[in-house]
Amino acid sequence: EVQLVESGGGLVQPGGSLRLSCAASGFTFSSYDMHWVRQATGKGLEWVSAIGTAGDPYYPGSVKGRFTISRENAKNSLYLQMNSLRAGDTAVYYCARMIRLGAFDIWGQGTMVTVSS
Amino acid sequence: DIQMTQSPSSLSASVGDRVTITCQASQDISNYLNWYQQKPGKAPKLLIYDASNLETGVPSRFSGSGSGTDFTFTISSLQPEDIATYYCQQYDNRRGALTFGGGTKVEIK
Repeated sequence: EVQLVESGGGLVQPGGSLRLSCAASGFTFSSYDMHWVRQATGKGLEWVSAIGTAGDPYYPGSVKGRFTISRENAKNSLYLQMNSLRAGDTAVYYCARMIRLGAFDIWGQGTMVTVSS
Repeated sequence: DIQMTQSPSSLSASVGDRVTITCQASQDISNYLNWYQQKPGKAPKLLIYDASNLETGVPSRFSGSGSGTDFTFTISSLQPEDIATYYCQQYDNRRGALTFGGGTKVEIK
């Protein structure tokens, strides 16, 4: 079964750090661009970061310089290192597989990140 | 950055009605446009890719059209299980970046 499973979410204080993981199974992980997308409670979807098959990262301005995406193909795993966290980073974080012209066909179940003192 | 303007933000329709949602890009995105359905507490589900292609296993009452800057998503005959929020999403392959529309919440009248 093709599957993505996120972990690592939790409660962190403003200014703190957290590392999210996404375990992939059922497909050739190294062959796909992978992304992180987040959703604050009651809000829409927001793209957070992407990593190409060659390890090339991409970020929107809202997280650039604070978040780092990485992948470990030997472990079929995707990561998101989040530093200098702010209240506005509070959200469910999803990892997703990208196919074709930028479509996400497989999503994880999400992991909740709460930034609060 | 490319902005996506999705409308309406919510709608209420009867079972069997035809439902249409639009998405407008701030610049030409060719057909790099996808549509998702999200039910409460669940991850989004891909319905339409490349503006008009139906994802495998998705009912044929869902369809998409458009290219360039203007796109349309249609449910030809609304069913109770279609109650959800729908999002468009564009992909800028030159920059490796993407954005989602603001979402449309579909309810049964």
